[in-house]
Amino acid sequence: DGGITQSPKYLFRKEGQNVTLSCEQNLNHDAMYWYRQDPGQGLRLIYYSQIVNDFQKGDIAEGYSVSREKKESFPLTVTSAQKNPTAFYLCASSIFDIQPLHFGNGTRLTVT
Amino acid sequence: SQKIEQNSEALNIQEGKTATLTCNYTNYSPAYLQWYRQDPGRGPVFLLLIRENEKEKRKERLKVTFDTTLKQSLFHITASQPADSATYLCALGGVASGAGSYQLTFGKGTKLSVIP
Repeated sequence: DGGITQSPKYLFRKEGQNVTLSCEQNLNHDAMYWYRQDPGQGLRLIYYSQIVNDFQKGDIAEGYSVSREKKESFPLTVTSAQKNPTAFYLCASSIFDIQPLHFGNGTRLTVT
Repeated sequence: SQKIEQNSEALNIQEGKTATLTCNYTNYSPAYLQWYRQDPGRGPVFLLLIRENEKEKRKERLKVTFDTTLKQSLFHITASQPADSATYLCALGGVASGAGSYQLTFGKGTKLSVIP
């Protein structure tokens, strides 16, 4: 079955450590996205990529970094510069602009 | 700044009734609007897309309307069932200023509970 796989489902880190969240898709989609979801807030766009080796900042990119070396993979690194990293992180993909997003089941990151 | 409001954080409805969820927006000219369903601890799942020049879309027990004059979308679930209980998100799509590509902006969601 085609889909998006995010791993791990739960991640715990100490403050000051960088951490990388994995996102892999086998839908052959060109566009991939990272969103952050906090209680009582809508999904907020961190980064997106429309094509391999290219990506753009979303609304809340500070403290995050991404890479897109392969079409299937779009890992997100939460750096120590991110002031409030504890959140639910969602990866998504789509065929191209305007088409529906296919989401993974998220990674819940807790930083203490 | 752009603002999207979903009518309430939570909505309780009796099984068999029609659930109506509202999505209002300001300072935005969306080209399309999407509705998603999200279950606890899971990613959102796409339900329906409606474009700015469409008034209504239907899919099984679901119906979406889009009124660009009122700046509002209504999402209806007819003959609601306990299995419909979830959080429903609306998302507006348009070309973001300076971005050159379509962007989706999500509302905070409405948690629907269908009571047997």
